[in-house]
Amino acid sequence: DQQVKQNSPSLSVQEGRISILNCDYTNSMFDYFLWYKKYPAEGPTFLISISSIKDKNEDGRFTVFLNKSAKHLSLHIVPSQPGDSAVYFCAASAIPSGTYKYIFGTGTRLKVLA
Amino acid sequence: SAVISQKPSRDICQRGTSLTIQCQVDSQVTMMFWYRQQPGQSLTLIATANQGSEATYESGFVIDKFPISRPNLTFSTLTVSNMSPEDSSIYLCSVDHGYEQYFGPGTRLTVT
Repeated sequence: DQQVKQNSPSLSVQEGRISILNCDYTNSMFDYFLWYKKYPAEGPTFLISISSIKDKNEDGRFTVFLNKSAKHLSLHIVPSQPGDSAVYFCAASAIPSGTYKYIFGTGTRLKVLA
Repeated sequence: SAVISQKPSRDICQRGTSLTIQCQVDSQVTMMFWYRQQPGQSLTLIATANQGSEATYESGFVIDKFPISRPNLTFSTLTVSNMSPEDSSIYLCSVDHGYEQYFGPGTRLTVT
């Protein structure tokens, strides 16, 4: 039972354009969400987070949108740069449970073309 | 954010042997986490390690196979015991920082 899903295993985008990475979840108790970027041979790097009390969080070129009714979140990267080419994971947790346990999606490989 | 290091960065081991992976953090943290990422798959939580108490294991993972130590607030080890080729994975430790988690660089294990 995959509670966090990233249905697009890969995505290619031209440099300078917008990259949109999607993530769906099934557990309505999830209330905190993270996005990570992972380069080969490195650990995941935290990018941006969003709490369920918000529907948008922005940090520089990265914006995360949360649609609670659809149980869907997306990461927008604008403008996309070749250095953004990596695997992106979304993760979800039910923070009030106190366990800080995150469930990760399977990842989307983003390729930004120069 | 915390700086996390892991040793070894990679290893090739024979089946039936054991490997201990070390995780060192540059600051004191309450909880440390161990994850596994099998080829082409997501990150799966193995266990949560608090200093001074037994680790809490997730469903499908047992202490006999993945014993964990947490002797102080900056260090933890994960042992992969009696290895089989199915244990070939990237093993990652992470620490909590507020609601976020920060990861070490990972240990790439290949079992032959």
